[in-house]
Amino acid sequence: DIEMTQSPSSLSAHVGDRVTITCRASQGISNNLAWYQQKPGKAPKLLIYAASTLQSGVPSRFSGSGSGTDFTLTISSLQPEDVATYYCQKYNSAPITFGQGTRLEIK
Amino acid sequence: EVQLVESGGGLVQPGGSLRLSCAASGFTLSSYWMHWVRQAPGKGLAWVARINLDGRITTYADSVKGRFTISRDDAKNTLYLQMNTLRAEDTAVYYCARSDPQLDYWGQGILVTVSS
Repeated sequence: DIEMTQSPSSLSAHVGDRVTITCRASQGISNNLAWYQQKPGKAPKLLIYAASTLQSGVPSRFSGSGSGTDFTLTISSLQPEDVATYYCQKYNSAPITFGQGTRLEIK
Repeated sequence: EVQLVESGGGLVQPGGSLRLSCAASGFTLSSYWMHWVRQAPGKGLAWVARINLDGRITTYADSVKGRFTISRDDAKNTLYLQMNTLRAEDTAVYYCARSDPQLDYWGQGILVTVSS
């Protein structure tokens, strides 16, 4: 099974900072990768799919890049409402797998 | 507006059974693969199962294979998860999600607690 490894597991940054979260697949998955944001007590929300396509309605400060095994989620200017846990997910074949999550906080 | 609403959760004893339902609205259920994803308390997301368009192809995580069954009734716009031989480690919030193939819409989640 393909494993998805995120780093870091937690992150603290200032409002306005550029934030980057990475996700590595144990085998190549082309661009079959999504990023989700989950706020406490809420369902996950799709941010990015196909590695770099912004889901409708998601602020443009979020962006994704990568292909194959290495992927990144970038927030260009961190906002207070971005406090959440972020997950990557590969979806090209079963089993579907998620990264372990990255908890993002404001300094 | 696309909506997914789970129901059927609750407290069940180890070894017991429970059936979750996911009522879909705002889209044609028969046009989408569907998934169940769970989240144990304080833990990350874990994929559980998926079902194809006509319900004939189902796939499961190893942790639930042989115990859980995913099914769909498109006439009722409803997705199901039959959970048998439940264990303490199945305690989690269970989400249904629409696949496109990324999981673009999620339900609000339903808590299943397995405890004596």
